[in-house]
Amino acid sequence: DGGITQSPKYLFRKEGQNVTLSCEQNLNHDAMYWYRQDPGQGLRLIYYSQIVNDFQKGDIAEGYSVSREKKESFPLTVTSAQKNPTAFYLCASRGQGEQYFGPGTRLTVT
Amino acid sequence: AQSVSQHNHHVILSEAASLELGCNYSYGGTVNLFWYVQYPGQHLQLLLKYFSGDPLVKGIKGFEAEFIKSKFSFNLRKPSVQWSDTAEYFCAVKMDTGRRALTFGSGTRLQVQP
Repeated sequence: DGGITQSPKYLFRKEGQNVTLSCEQNLNHDAMYWYRQDPGQGLRLIYYSQIVNDFQKGDIAEGYSVSREKKESFPLTVTSAQKNPTAFYLCASRGQGEQYFGPGTRLTVT
Repeated sequence: AQSVSQHNHHVILSEAASLELGCNYSYGGTVNLFWYVQYPGQHLQLLLKYFSGDPLVKGIKGFEAEFIKSKFSFNLRKPSVQWSDTAEYFCAVKMDTGRRALTFGSGTRLQVQP
């Protein structure tokens, strides 16, 4: 069963802690993406990767970091430098010209 | 900067009413256009897409959209909505800027009343 998995579904952290969100795909897609979804703002691009060992900043990369060591995996770290980290995070991969989305991780930082 | 606008933030309709959601983008080059839907508690999924050719595209669940290049628009339509269409709808555009990522609109929350 092909698709994109994100874990965990809900994540709670204390302010000042870094946290890593997982994204795995078995669709054999080269390109992967991280978006942040906030009410009334749609999806905003954080980072994207066109190929293994390469990634680019999106529109709101400050306070986030990524790695792309394997084709299947594109983890996102939300660092303590991110001023407003509480949000819904969506991972996607691209194939045949369209993006496929994972179920998302809702991060709450208090 | 390139942007995508969805002017209707929250739409409330009765079942069987017709739907039209607006989407406009600000970019003069070649675009690929998408409408995604997010049902409550579910993944974001693709409704329809336009790459080239016939500007009227049909998608799943009876939805269609029309690309009007002169108006930089890609409005979503459905002749008769159902309660199950209650969801949030996102317009997205890929622009030929070299960045192979989508730019999303802010979304429209559709509520269909039985």
